[in-house]
Amino acid sequence: DAKTTQPNSMESNEEEPVHLPCNHSTISGTDYIHWYRQLPSQGPEYVIHGLTSNVNNRMASLAIAEDRKSSTLILHRATLRDAAVYYCILRAGGLRAGNMLTFGGGTRLMVKP
Amino acid sequence: GAVVSQHPSRVICKSGTSVKIECRSLDFQATTMFWYRQFPKKSLMLMATSNEGSKATYEQGVEKDKFLINHASLTLSTLTVTSAHPEDSSFYICSARDPTRGDTDTQYFGPGTRLTVL
Repeated sequence: DAKTTQPNSMESNEEEPVHLPCNHSTISGTDYIHWYRQLPSQGPEYVIHGLTSNVNNRMASLAIAEDRKSSTLILHRATLRDAAVYYCILRAGGLRAGNMLTFGGGTRLMVKP
Repeated sequence: GAVVSQHPSRVICKSGTSVKIECRSLDFQATTMFWYRQFPKKSLMLMATSNEGSKATYEQGVEKDKFLINHASLTLSTLTVTSAHPEDSSFYICSARDPTRGDTDTQYFGPGTRLTVL
């Protein structure tokens, strides 16, 4: 699977937007960009995913660079409950499709009140 | 939404005993489930892919005789840690796909099971 690179940690203030970056320079044309997050002592939780176009859902927005070599997860208004480790994962599509997810180190987001 | 449960949430056992962890998909049928292990402050590592009605596929370095996986129905997969030792102490997490949702293989994760081997 293509590799992703994320900062180890980031800090944010409560009620401010947060932009979590992810680099994936070796992404292939059929790889989907998935984001999951893991709250302390819990299993990961799906956040959002996309292929080429920017995506919005009730949890977050995903901005994908035009060359797809990077993406940014945007939390529009961070709350204390958003403190978690955020994982950016590439999942192969097309003929290389598989079901498994390969987790990297993720970004630990800390939210200050 | 798709819900995955795990039981037990925590287990403490003596060295040498076996421990069974259950993973259930509560509102969908999962032909494929996944088992991960997570050590403190580390990321999740895939241990095996559990396929309903067939043998599990183990990742390199994971002993299939030590971590027995059974996926006897479309809603239940079990992981048995046999002859557990303190180094097996970890957070075990399962996940499952809901093939009916057609959302490019989003996985739904269980809440995890914390195993402590004394």
